[in-house]
Amino acid sequence: NAGVMQNPRHLVRRRGQEARLRCSPMKGHSHVYWYRQLPEEGLKFMVYLQKENIIDESGMPKERFSAEFPKEGPSILRIQQVVRGDSAAYFCASSPPGGLVGTEAFFGQGTRLTVV
Amino acid sequence: KNQVEQSPQSLIILEGKNCTLQCNYTVSPFSNLRWYKQDTGRGPVSLTIMTFSENTKSNGRYTATLDADTKQSSLHITASQLSDSASYICVVRGTDSNYQLIWGAGTKLIIKP
Repeated sequence: NAGVMQNPRHLVRRRGQEARLRCSPMKGHSHVYWYRQLPEEGLKFMVYLQKENIIDESGMPKERFSAEFPKEGPSILRIQQVVRGDSAAYFCASSPPGGLVGTEAFFGQGTRLTVV
Repeated sequence: KNQVEQSPQSLIILEGKNCTLQCNYTVSPFSNLRWYKQDTGRGPVSLTIMTFSENTKSNGRYTATLDADTKQSSLHITASQLSDSASYICVVRGTDSNYQLIWGAGTKLIIKP
């Protein structure tokens, strides 16, 4: 059972381009969480999704950011018209059905986005 | 405001020594507290999860304690190894949601040979 898989591991985009970050949860996990981590800072919650549903996107900027978790395939975090301030590590975590009630959240290795 | 504060911000110790990291939280109501280890450039890995009724939990050389009355937790590392060099993050889950985790900023631990 592979862990949470994120790709790409590193992504470089020029200002104004689009960034697509992918997250394949662990087998059997139907809950996905996206976090952003700036250098020397803690993780900040962005969005929580279940299959085909966004449960909470309160941590995600209203503009330029979107997330989806389709019935088939990985979860996608999409950032349009990237700016330098979007440079960060983006982590995805997954958990079994039931959410985080006493259960583990397993993290991927992250995607490091650099906007030049 | 729900917060998790960790101390010290960073710590350097010699290989083989013990150390204790602190976590104070104001999250209320409280459900559970987790300690994660994050190696540089990697995703966090869970060390322990404790509910309010648990006072201590061990995972190898890592021992976490929890005092739900004072809202304090500690992570004790025994006989440190070079591979313990990492950031250690305290994370608290409240009961007012089933998914939101409140993350501390972490303690950066460096083990020197």
